[in-house]
Amino acid sequence: GAVVSQHPSRVICKSGTSVKIECRSLDFQATTMFWYRQFPKQSLMLMATSNEGSKATYEQGVEKDKFLINHASLTLSTLTVTSAHPEDSSFYICSAGKLAGAYEQYFGPGTRLTVT
Amino acid sequence: DQQVKQNSPSLSVQEGRISILNCDYTNSMFDYFLWYKKYPAEGPTFLISISSIKDKNEDGRFTVFLNKSAKHLSLHIVPSQPGDSAVYFCAANPASSDYKLSFGAGTTVTVRA
Repeated sequence: GAVVSQHPSRVICKSGTSVKIECRSLDFQATTMFWYRQFPKQSLMLMATSNEGSKATYEQGVEKDKFLINHASLTLSTLTVTSAHPEDSSFYICSAGKLAGAYEQYFGPGTRLTVT
Repeated sequence: DQQVKQNSPSLSVQEGRISILNCDYTNSMFDYFLWYKKYPAEGPTFLISISSIKDKNEDGRFTVFLNKSAKHLSLHIVPSQPGDSAVYFCAANPASSDYKLSFGAGTTVTVRA
């Protein structure tokens, strides 16, 4: 199997606070994890590529100081939304690529962030 | 710039009939293509994939066809079932080892009983 979990599934926070989202690959090791954002009725937008033990690679237009990514182990990556604002409200999804050269990415169930 | 395009935002099909979802791409460096299914408020689940060295891949009710010269692929679901109602995303991966995927905008499939 290839199971990816995300925690929390849903979070509401006040403007100006920070929120951490965890992404775990439960039954395989992932050297590479990805963080996506999805706006209503739109496609998945890749935010950054997270590599175990090194700095994340951010896509153009994504603020690295606002969306802090840490990939501390082969099974865990975290996304911290710092100083959240209402426009950061979105559905955040992580995925993990398998270690042995497979192209498939396996997605977590997503985290609904609402900033009030 | 959208490199993977799904031009039909929605598709309605009767239960038991065939669903055909289309996807076009512009980047000739893409060499691996995937289809994902997504329910609301859930992450996408992998359905089926195809390498650029093939023109067809079949897995149960799902078949993906690839036409490299036209930069076009399609997903056939037959027979369609009510549980197939979801958003389907086409994705593509270039010939590299970074696993990055480019996604289409998705097609919402509704299977009518």
